[in-house]
Amino acid sequence: QKEVEQDPGPLSVPEGAIVSLNCTYSNSAFQYFMWYRQYSRKGPELLMYTYSSGNKEDGRFTAQVDKSSKYISLFIRDSQPSDSATYLCAMTYGNQFYFGTGTSLTVIP
Amino acid sequence: DVKVTQSSRYLVKRTGEKVFLECVQDMDHENMFWYRQDPGLGLRLIYFSYDVKMKEKGDIPEGYSVSREKKERFSLILESASTNQTSMYLCASSLGLNIQYFGAGTRLSVL
Repeated sequence: QKEVEQDPGPLSVPEGAIVSLNCTYSNSAFQYFMWYRQYSRKGPELLMYTYSSGNKEDGRFTAQVDKSSKYISLFIRDSQPSDSATYLCAMTYGNQFYFGTGTSLTVIP
Repeated sequence: DVKVTQSSRYLVKRTGEKVFLECVQDMDHENMFWYRQDPGLGLRLIYFSYDVKMKEKGDIPEGYSVSREKKERFSLILESASTNQTSMYLCASSLGLNIQYFGAGTRLSVL
């Protein structure tokens, strides 16, 4: 079983839709949870991070961590064509880092 | 803002060449990392370093070596490039063992 599972998509939504991106994980020791956005042929850019459980909001983006279910989500409200990218989840504990394989999102104007 | 700079965006090399990929960070981070990213395989850790002159093997170190002579600089070396090392190479740095910041990537083609 992989430490982190992420549906690769692709996911295609109309402009203005609410997008939900998700990852599941197996190790309850994970403490930091991150979401990265990666545009084509560019490096991953840190979008948001949370420590332990709960929600964190930043503009149109909300990150949610449910440690009891070992499940994290990224919600994008009022999605824009500029949100079209691959979204990677990541999580860490101690000196161990684990990344999901990424979900490809396309927002259609 | 954290800035991680990779020296080249695109590189084309011949099989058997020695290749150097350079990475510099400007935030005094202790930790630096080299990954390769391939379609369907995600990010795979090649090497990381917790301090100057220290290095640890990641998941796929074969065919690679690294050098960290100064805190801000972490170099990845392909001793004898092969076609299966054609990939996107990503450098990252972190302060403490939590959040990593990435460079723009180097797309390497080995012919």
